[in-house]
Amino acid sequence: EADIYQTPRYLVIGTGKKITLECSQTMGHDKMYWYQQDPGMELHLIHYSYGVNSTEKGDLSSESTVSRIRTEHFPLTLESARPSHTSQYLCASSAGAVNQPQHFGDGTRLSIL
Amino acid sequence: KNQVEQSPQSLIILEGKNCTLQCNYTVSPFSNLRWYKQDTGRGPVSLTIMTFSENTKSNGRYTATLDADTKQSSLHITASQLSDSASYICVVSDRGSTLGRLYFGRGTQLTVWP
Repeated sequence: EADIYQTPRYLVIGTGKKITLECSQTMGHDKMYWYQQDPGMELHLIHYSYGVNSTEKGDLSSESTVSRIRTEHFPLTLESARPSHTSQYLCASSAGAVNQPQHFGDGTRLSIL
Repeated sequence: KNQVEQSPQSLIILEGKNCTLQCNYTVSPFSNLRWYKQDTGRGPVSLTIMTFSENTKSNGRYTATLDADTKQSSLHITASQLSDSASYICVVSDRGSTLGRLYFGRGTQLTVWP
């Protein structure tokens, strides 16, 4: 079992609220990622990090922001949630080498009313 | 355009039967190809990773093959079990960047009936 944890698992919240999705891993991985996944669709990379104080935007434009102050922690924040943000958000981590697998958390299913 | 296409989109088989899932890709330059299993409501779990020089790789009842010349891969599941019901995602990595950008397929939804 992968040691990567996401909280909350489910969140239903009103428009305009500030939201932080938590992601933590205990494997000491330098690389961490945030993906967005809609039902029946492929995963889309929205943010990634090579290590502490390193964050980059992914392929899919997102109004969210991330931070990487500690190796094990990679939270994602939405300053003002909108219904268009409704989706599943998956966090992943991997060791340094390119051929290493990504370990995924079980995701946060976010619904904005 | 770099793409990963999977077929079939969905598949229903009876418990104990074998099945094969297909993945075609156009990603270039190629680095590696991965198969993930995603149970409903869970994150994907890595099954296999194959580089350019590997033709086949097994993980228990799962066997993945890779033909880098035709840019095709298959995932064969032997003696299926109810717990094999899941989405199987093909992911191809390029080597054009330090990150090793990943291209995801939409998955094949497999249902195993008793």
